[in-house]
Amino acid sequence: RKEVEQDPGPFNVPEGATVAFNCTYSNSASQSFFWYRQDCRKEPKLLMSVYSSGNEDGRFTAQLNRASQYISLLIRDSKLSDSATYLCVVNTYVDSSYKLIFGSGTRLLVRP
Amino acid sequence: EAEVAQSPRYKITEKSQAVAFWCDPISGHATLYWYRQILGQGPELLVQFQDESVVDDSQLPKDRFSAERLKGVDSTLKIQPAELGDSAMYLCASSPGQGRNYEQYFGPGTRLTVT
Repeated sequence: RKEVEQDPGPFNVPEGATVAFNCTYSNSASQSFFWYRQDCRKEPKLLMSVYSSGNEDGRFTAQLNRASQYISLLIRDSKLSDSATYLCVVNTYVDSSYKLIFGSGTRLLVRP
Repeated sequence: EAEVAQSPRYKITEKSQAVAFWCDPISGHATLYWYRQILGQGPELLVQFQDESVVDDSQLPKDRFSAERLKGVDSTLKIQPAELGDSAMYLCASSPGQGRNYEQYFGPGTRLTVT
């Protein structure tokens, strides 16, 4: 079983749609959580951190459920520019160091 | 805005040849990471440095891969000999330090193709 699991998609949605991505992680000792965005053939970039209380940044809302070991990302009013791969990332303390564990990513295609 | 620099951006090499990648982290960032990303997968950590010391190289295939950060600034990742399965994107990242909340900043990557 992968440490961080995501639905690979692709999610193909029209502009203006609301789309939600889910992610589960296996290590209950994981300490912090993030969503990264990766455009085709580019490097990953931090989209937002994820907190237990939930957090919002404009059209993006992230939620964390520690009991279920589940993370979500909601994108409202999708734009063409949102087309990318969204990586669920978990920071875990293993062998005396913090390590980022990446999911395989969920691909989003927003069509006109 | 400060960025992580990597070179070359693209590399094509024949199997059994040696190849090297270079990374210059954001100035002042003590922690440096090398990741490998195979197409369709997320990045996987190969090696982590704190200053010039290796913190974690548990996923580095040490029979063919080596990494160094001699002066605690820039870093080199080497593969010798390269194999077909090494074809991937090699990403370097840096952060101000280790810890649960430090953001990692990624460089543009080196795309390696082994023929």
